[in-house]
Amino acid sequence: ILNVEQSPQSLHVQEGDSTNFTCSFPSSNFYALHWYRWETAKSPEALFVMTLNGDEKKKGRISATLNTKEGYSYLYIKGSQPEDSATYLCALIKAGGTSYGKLTFGQGTILTVHP
Amino acid sequence: SQTIHQWPATLVQPVGSPLSLECTVEGTSNPNLYWYRQAAGRGLQLLFYSVGIGQISSEVPQNLSASRPQDRQFILSSKKLLLSDSGFYLCACRGLSEAFFGQGTRLTVV
Repeated sequence: ILNVEQSPQSLHVQEGDSTNFTCSFPSSNFYALHWYRWETAKSPEALFVMTLNGDEKKKGRISATLNTKEGYSYLYIKGSQPEDSATYLCALIKAGGTSYGKLTFGQGTILTVHP
Repeated sequence: SQTIHQWPATLVQPVGSPLSLECTVEGTSNPNLYWYRQAAGRGLQLLFYSVGIGQISSEVPQNLSASRPQDRQFILSSKKLLLSDSGFYLCACRGLSEAFFGQGTRLTVV
């Protein structure tokens, strides 16, 4: 079983606060790490696709970093807004072997931003 | 971009009845296709994935099966539903990059 771990499980912040979450994964045979945002009553939507060690990606107030050697990725939200409230999921794809094509999600971090 | 059609949106079925959830994809060819169930908690539990026609990988032993009769069609089935099969099921498609998801099916087994 492929263990993709996310922490914290849930997070409550005030509007304007900056926050970050962690995604940990087995570092062997790494291919790609995805971040998704899942809002209530909607389908998950991709935020970032990260493939290279040291990758840093940014979309507006949200950014992510990747360390494939130690097996973790961070997602940062600067100046949180109530509309950022959602479940944030990371997902791992490993290279080749018997897990070719497999997209494994972590349990997610539920973010609630209070006005 | 890819479009995922998943139906039905909601379904109430009696225990012991069969199940068929269908997912079709537009806008890509030879995608990787996935069936997930939202796990108790909040994550997405991978049930089945397919890298091509007739190729199905099962992740967890359960009362469900999957088939891929065509390149852009992925079907989740059961011969006899159990109460524990209730949940929210999502179909996803991945081409070269990120995954795209259907709208999901809320299944209630009564």
